[in-house]
Amino acid sequence: QKEVEQNSGPLSVPEGAIASLNCTYSDRGSQSFFWYRQYSGKSPELIMSIYSNGDKEDGRFTAQLNKASQYVSLLIRDSQPSDSATYLCAIRKAGAGSYQLTFGKGTKLSVIP
Amino acid sequence: DGGITQSPKYLFRKEGQNVTLSCEQNLNHDAMYWYRQDPGQGLRLIYYSQIVNDFQKGDIAEGYSVSREKKESFPLTVTSAQKNPTAFYLCASSISIQETQYFGPGTRLLVL
Repeated sequence: QKEVEQNSGPLSVPEGAIASLNCTYSDRGSQSFFWYRQYSGKSPELIMSIYSNGDKEDGRFTAQLNKASQYVSLLIRDSQPSDSATYLCAIRKAGAGSYQLTFGKGTKLSVIP
Repeated sequence: DGGITQSPKYLFRKEGQNVTLSCEQNLNHDAMYWYRQDPGQGLRLIYYSQIVNDFQKGDIAEGYSVSREKKESFPLTVTSAQKNPTAFYLCASSISIQETQYFGPGTRLLVL
């Protein structure tokens, strides 16, 4: 089982819809969870971080964490064409090696005008 | 204007040549990192540094070397021992080793 798994997509949603991006992870000891957005040819930029179970909202973005089920998701409300990008899920483990982020391969989102 | 800078934006390497990628930050961050990104792959950690004059190997350090002589700078050398160097190289930094990482703009390395 891969450490961090994401559906590679592409995920296509119409403008104004809710985009739902999912990420599952294998290490139950993981403690910190991040979503980065990466436009084509550019570097990743941090969208959200989440550390405890539940929802965390920031503008149109909501991160959801369920440690028991080992998944973290990102919801984008009122999706815009400018949201079209690859979204990377990254996870930091607890304890030894907690310096390291483990990244998924990313989900490509396409928002159709 | 605070941030992380990487240079050059594009770099071409000839067979057998060593090349050095620059990474500078003025965020006063203690920790710095180098990642490699290949098409369709997640980011993979090459080296990281928690503090000046200290650095550790990541998952794919073979064929690479780094130095951390100044807090602001963490250059990466791609040596001739790295047989498949074509990739997008990303430098990141964080306040400390367990804090959120922020990325520079990246350097794309191509082999001639």
